[in-house]
Amino acid sequence: GDSVTQMEGPVTLSEEAFLTINCTYTATGYPSLFWYVQYPGEGLQLLLKATKADDKGSNKGFEATYRKETTSFHLEKGSVQVSDSAVYFCALRKTGANNLFFGTGTRLTVIP
Amino acid sequence: DARVTQTPRHKVTEMGQEVTMRCQPILGHNTVFWYRQTMMQGLELLAYFRNRAPLDDSGMPKDRFSAEMPDATLATLKIQPSEPRDSAVYFCASGTGQGARDTQYFGPGTRLTVL
Repeated sequence: GDSVTQMEGPVTLSEEAFLTINCTYTATGYPSLFWYVQYPGEGLQLLLKATKADDKGSNKGFEATYRKETTSFHLEKGSVQVSDSAVYFCALRKTGANNLFFGTGTRLTVIP
Repeated sequence: DARVTQTPRHKVTEMGQEVTMRCQPILGHNTVFWYRQTMMQGLELLAYFRNRAPLDDSGMPKDRFSAEMPDATLATLKIQPSEPRDSAVYFCASGTGQGARDTQYFGPGTRLTVL
């Protein structure tokens, strides 16, 4: 069935370090891919998305490229800030469907 | 700034009691989703609606959970009777239902504790 596998956390980085959070997926067809972020005590917010192969989603310095050949959608940021500390969720939506399948989430802590 | 609202934000109740959680989707959105988040299971889809009709509630324990949309501005999730294992954060999300262009917008969640 459809699934998303995310890099296990937690991840702790120093401010201005480079971030990569790995995400791979299993799905038939051409799903849409998403990264959501959850700050403490809040709901999930869409961070970025890509709807077809080779698309790059970007927002707030974060980027992820839809790689169909490796079924991956890794999240990257060149220089993290303390305010980026949150839990990050990778998700997919099958073509023609409305619901999302989420990964388990990766907690990121950025220390000054 | 349109947002999904959920009430209550926190609920503490005793086992066996009825719990009702409410969600107001963003005006104009025609899809509504209920998710449950726990440490052990992560985010699980419980049910979702399109144009107020339930499309999938296979993730929901049918014997005690029920989800409805009395009108386009209100979605409810009810647990009766509640059990300690229902303790979790329950999120509502809404979307436009426009296929690949759709984005789900999440509410702040209801943190439920069943003693």
